[in-house]
Amino acid sequence: NAGVTQTPKFRILKIGQSMTLQCTQDMNHNYMYWYRQDPGMGLKLIYYSVGAGITDKGEVPNGYNVSRSTTEDFPLRLELAAPSQTSVYFCASSYVGVPREQYFGPGTRLTVT
Amino acid sequence: AQKVTQAQTEISVVEKEDVTLDCVYETRDTTYYLFWYKQPPSGELVFLIRRNSFDEQNEISGRYSWNFQKSTSSFNFTITASQVVDSAVYFCALSGVSTKTSYDKVIFGPGTSLSVIP
Repeated sequence: NAGVTQTPKFRILKIGQSMTLQCTQDMNHNYMYWYRQDPGMGLKLIYYSVGAGITDKGEVPNGYNVSRSTTEDFPLRLELAAPSQTSVYFCASSYVGVPREQYFGPGTRLTVT
Repeated sequence: AQKVTQAQTEISVVEKEDVTLDCVYETRDTTYYLFWYKQPPSGELVFLIRRNSFDEQNEISGRYSWNFQKSTSSFNFTITASQVVDSAVYFCALSGVSTKTSYDKVIFGPGTSLSVIP
C-alpha cells in the first residue's frame, strides 16, 4: 500500500520558472491538501480539495494553483517561482475530511534561486 | 481565532529519561479536536493521536501518554523512557467543527524538536 506519494523529492528552480508538484493517493480518500512547511513555522495550508472537481484556497494560496480531476491525484502548480516559495511541500489526504487524521506524503524540498 | 502554541522549540534528553512536550491551544469552539503528529528525520509526518473536546480522559499507548486538560487549554504529550528513535519534531494541531462549511481547517503548532541522546 503506497499511501500518499509525491514527486519530485527535490527540485531547484530559477526565479520565474514554473513547475508542477505531483501528489497521488491510493486510499480512496475524499479530501486532499497541500501544505508548505517553513523552518520553525509549522505547516501552512495552501489549497485543499473535498473531492474530484472541487478545490478551495487555504491560508497561503498566492502564487499557486491546483486541480483535482480524479480522486487519486492533486497536483500543485507553481507559476513564476519566487524565492519566497522556497520551502518543503507536503501533500496529505484524509477520509471524510477533518477532524479525521491526515496521511502525509514524504514531501518535496523546493529551492528557488 | 484558533491558535496552537508549543513553547518548547528544542528539547534534548538523555536516553531513558522521561520528557513532556507542551501544547497550549486557543479556540472559541465548544467542539474541537486535537492531534499530535511526529515528523522523524526522514521528513514524513505520522499521525499519533486524536482527541475530541468532550473526552478528557488521559490516554496511554505504550511509552506514550497524553494529558488533556480543558481547564488550562493544554494537551501535553509525555514520552516515558525515551529512546533514540523518538528523536523527531512533534507537532500539536487543532481543528474545530463547523456546521457551515464542509472543511474545518487544521491549525498546526510550530513544532518541538526532540533530540534523544544515547
